[in-house]
Amino acid sequence: EPEVTQTPSHQVTQMGQEVILRCVPISNHLYFYWYRQILGQKVEFLVSFYNNEISEKSEIFDDQFSVERPDGSNFTLKIRSTKLEDSAMYFCASSDVGGPMNTEAFFGQGTRLTVV
Amino acid sequence: AQTVTQSQPEMSVQEAETVTLSCTYDTSESDYYLFWYKQPPSRQMILVIRQEAYKQQNATENRFSVNFQKAAKSFSLKISDSQLGDAAMYFCAYRSPLGTYKYIFGTGTRLKVLA
Repeated sequence: EPEVTQTPSHQVTQMGQEVILRCVPISNHLYFYWYRQILGQKVEFLVSFYNNEISEKSEIFDDQFSVERPDGSNFTLKIRSTKLEDSAMYFCASSDVGGPMNTEAFFGQGTRLTVV
Repeated sequence: AQTVTQSQPEMSVQEAETVTLSCTYDTSESDYYLFWYKQPPSRQMILVIRQEAYKQQNATENRFSVNFQKAAKSFSLKISDSQLGDAAMYFCAYRSPLGTYKYIFGTGTRLKVLA
């Protein structure tokens, strides 16, 4: 069964460093998402990406965040200068065509980011 | 904007018993999708069950079923014959069929299963 794959599963980084979280969505999917879950809290939407551009972003997704689909298969989330409060689980998700045929997104297993 | 509310931060159930987790939501849309996700300690998001709003019949997946009350904007999850492996965090989620199709999650309910 196709699945969304995220790497690494756990990343530890120094405050102020840049990190790139990687995701390989399901191959025929068109919509890509990043979500964040701070420990003990709910899952929050960060950004959606469609047709090679951001289609929606939340207020959390400020200038230190960026997303990219560099090669048609990977989907990355970059955090330019990490802060302690960026420590969280980051989930990538993808879904196929939109409209009434689209029912669900498929989530990756998550990347746990720890900023020290 | 849509919102999802889970009013039970924590629930407990005896093994083999039945438990119901509550979820309410607010939306002005008539068609949408609702989901329950299970998050075990590994923190992976596992789809438990989904419901299309245009379907009147409540969804069922083995021991898991929902009570979908569209007019009341209520979407509860019933777990029958609870097992130790059901212990996890459960999130209710809303997805619009329009726009970017993003999910909006509730705050979650931690389910404990007592042996």
